[in-house]
Amino acid sequence: NAGVTQTPKFQVLKTGQSMTLQCAQDMNHEYMSWYRQDPGMGLRLIHYSVGAGITDQGEVPNGYNVSRSTTEDFPLRLLSAAPSQTSVYFCASSYDRSYGYTFGSGTRLTVV
Amino acid sequence: AQSVTQLGSHVSVSEGALVLLRCNYSSSVPPYLFWYVQYPNQGLQLLLKYTSAATLVKGINGFEAEFKKSETSFHLTKPSAHMSDAAEYFCAVPQKAAGNKLTFGGGTRVLVKP
Repeated sequence: NAGVTQTPKFQVLKTGQSMTLQCAQDMNHEYMSWYRQDPGMGLRLIHYSVGAGITDQGEVPNGYNVSRSTTEDFPLRLLSAAPSQTSVYFCASSYDRSYGYTFGSGTRLTVV
Repeated sequence: AQSVTQLGSHVSVSEGALVLLRCNYSSSVPPYLFWYVQYPNQGLQLLLKYTSAATLVKGINGFEAEFKKSETSFHLTKPSAHMSDAAEYFCAVPQKAAGNKLTFGGGTRVLVKP
């Protein structure tokens, strides 16, 4: 059972480039989320999904897009990378509010 | 919306000493509360969870937490610290709306001295 798999683990982008952070889970969880973690700012919710075809914005959605075409996958797209998007990104999935979230190992993104 | 506050961004303990990490929730009683641990350069791992079935909750790696309604607290403890406990710990509460999103405390970084 792989849990939540994020790729890549590390990425360096130039300002203005676009890219997609991949997230896949094999636990048949309906709820999936993307967080970013920054020093002094804690973990902040970017986007979330409550099931295939349903997504919504979190606290810091600007500059990011998501889609959820399948239960398993929840990719995060950076449209035009900016240095302010340098961060560690975590994908997480959940079966139910009472179970908590299972987190991936993260993607460390640097935008130069 | 529910919120949690962690007192102390850094805690230093000696190996073998008690570990006590503090978490207080907002005034309304949450049905669920979680403690997560994050080791360096890793994701977050669920340590334990409160689901109102029991006020004393035991988790992995020898940690436990007690839910105290009178103190609006859910403090995390471990009787004897080990070097491998050096990590950052987060208290979190799920929201009823927003896809069960987790609202995290600010985190407490634990340093274990030999």
